[in-house]
Amino acid sequence: DTGVSQNPRHKITKRGQNVTFRCDPISEHNRLYWYRQTLGQGPEFLTYFQNEAQLEKSRLLSDRFSAERPKGSFSTLEIQRTEQGDSAMYLCASSSGGFSGNTIYFGEGSWLTVV
Amino acid sequence: DQQVKQNSPSLSVQEGRISILNCDYTNSMFDYFLWYKKYPAEGPTFLISISSIKDKNEDGRFTVFLNKSAKHLSLHIVPSQPGDSAVYFCATIKAAGNKLTFGGGTRVLVKP
Repeated sequence: DTGVSQNPRHKITKRGQNVTFRCDPISEHNRLYWYRQTLGQGPEFLTYFQNEAQLEKSRLLSDRFSAERPKGSFSTLEIQRTEQGDSAMYLCASSSGGFSGNTIYFGEGSWLTVV
Repeated sequence: DQQVKQNSPSLSVQEGRISILNCDYTNSMFDYFLWYKKYPAEGPTFLISISSIKDKNEDGRFTVFLNKSAKHLSLHIVPSQPGDSAVYFCATIKAAGNKLTFGGGTRVLVKP
């Protein structure tokens, strides 16, 4: 078990460009989450997948954001036409089954800087 | 509206002493309360949790207290160690829900 893996770890992009982040959850975890964390704030929920189905999306996820989880394994988070306000750490997490207090594991995050 | 608040952005404590971190919430429907620890450039790692039906949970140096009537929880770390220096987030979740709601974090510095 190698934990939740995220790539790339750091991305600097120019305003208006598209970026894509990838998350590989812990194997056989059927639940996958994306969060966003800006400086000085706690992580904020973006979206949730159970297997390949995207079951919940935050209103923070504007139409420039799209997330997929084909085949219920890895997930991608794409941001189109990036804006400076998109600069943040994007965190992926995974879990299995129902919540029991400690079963949500986070990856190390992908830092996005939009210049 | 911020459902989970950590009103102290930072805390400095001497090694060996107790660290007390506080967290307030507004929604009585949460079922679990958790504390996560985060080092720079890393993702949050789970520390300890408590069910809403309990008022205390202890794990080694870490104890979480829940006061439902005050909608307040706290994390006690004793004795504090330099390796405990990190940002600590409280978070809540409903048992049937799928998302954690985090507070803004408290940066702890343990001085040797």
